[in-house]
Amino acid sequence: QVQLVESGGGVVQPGRSLRLSCAASGFTFSSYGMHWVRQAPGKGLEWLASISGDGRNEYYADAVKGRFTISRDNSKNTLHVQMNRLTAEDTAVYYCGKDSGPPVTSWGQGTLVTVSS
Amino acid sequence: QLVLTQSPSASASLGASVKLTCTLSSGHSSYAIAWHQQQPEKGPRYLMKLNSDGSHSKGDGIPDRFSGSSSGAERYLTISSLQSEDEADYYCQTWGTGVHVFGTGTKVTVL
Repeated sequence: QVQLVESGGGVVQPGRSLRLSCAASGFTFSSYGMHWVRQAPGKGLEWLASISGDGRNEYYADAVKGRFTISRDNSKNTLHVQMNRLTAEDTAVYYCGKDSGPPVTSWGQGTLVTVSS
Repeated sequence: QLVLTQSPSASASLGASVKLTCTLSSGHSSYAIAWHQQQPEKGPRYLMKLNSDGSHSKGDGIPDRFSGSSSGAERYLTISSLQSEDEADYYCQTWGTGVHVFGTGTKVTVL
C-alpha cells in the first residue's frame, strides 16, 4: 500500500533554512505528481507546492514562491522541499501528498517545523 | 480567483446524518473537488473526488456512509449513520492550472 513518510522537521531559528524529505513506497513514484501541504497550529490546510512525476514542472503558492523549492529524486523515491528565510509564520506541520489526477489521494503523517529563536 | 467556502462547524446526533457544503467561487462552478477528513491529532485522509455532475470516486476503505453530490457551484458531503469516529475536520480541495486550493474546513461534532 502507499506509504509516505516525512522527515527533517525540527526547531529552526528565524532566517535560517531547512530541508524536508518525504520517502515514498508502495507505488511507482515517478508516475505521480507530488505535493507539499502545511497546517499551522489550530489552522486549516494550506497547499504550498507541487511537482510533476518527471520533475519538469513545479508550481508554488504565492505565499512561498521564491523561498521554497520543491524537488524529487525518482531514483530514491524521495520528495524534498527546501525552505529558506524561514519566519515564525512558517511554523506548521508539513505534509507530503501523492497526486492522482489530481487530487491528493494519499497523505503522509506530517513533520513539525517550529521557527523560533 | 479560485476560492472554496465552507461553514466553520456542523453537528448532528449519533446515528443521524449531516450534510456539509463546499461552495466554489464565481466562474468555477464546473470544477471538481475532493473531500478530506482529518480526525483530531491525525493527518488528513482522502475521502473522495466529486465531479460537477455529482459522480464521485471514493478512496480505498471509505465506508458507504460517506457520499457526495453536487448542485451548481455547491459540492456536498453527506455522512449518514454518524459514528463517534466521524467527529473530525472536513476539508474540500480543488485545483486549476498550477494551483491547488483548500477550503477553510468544517468541524463536525457528533452529539
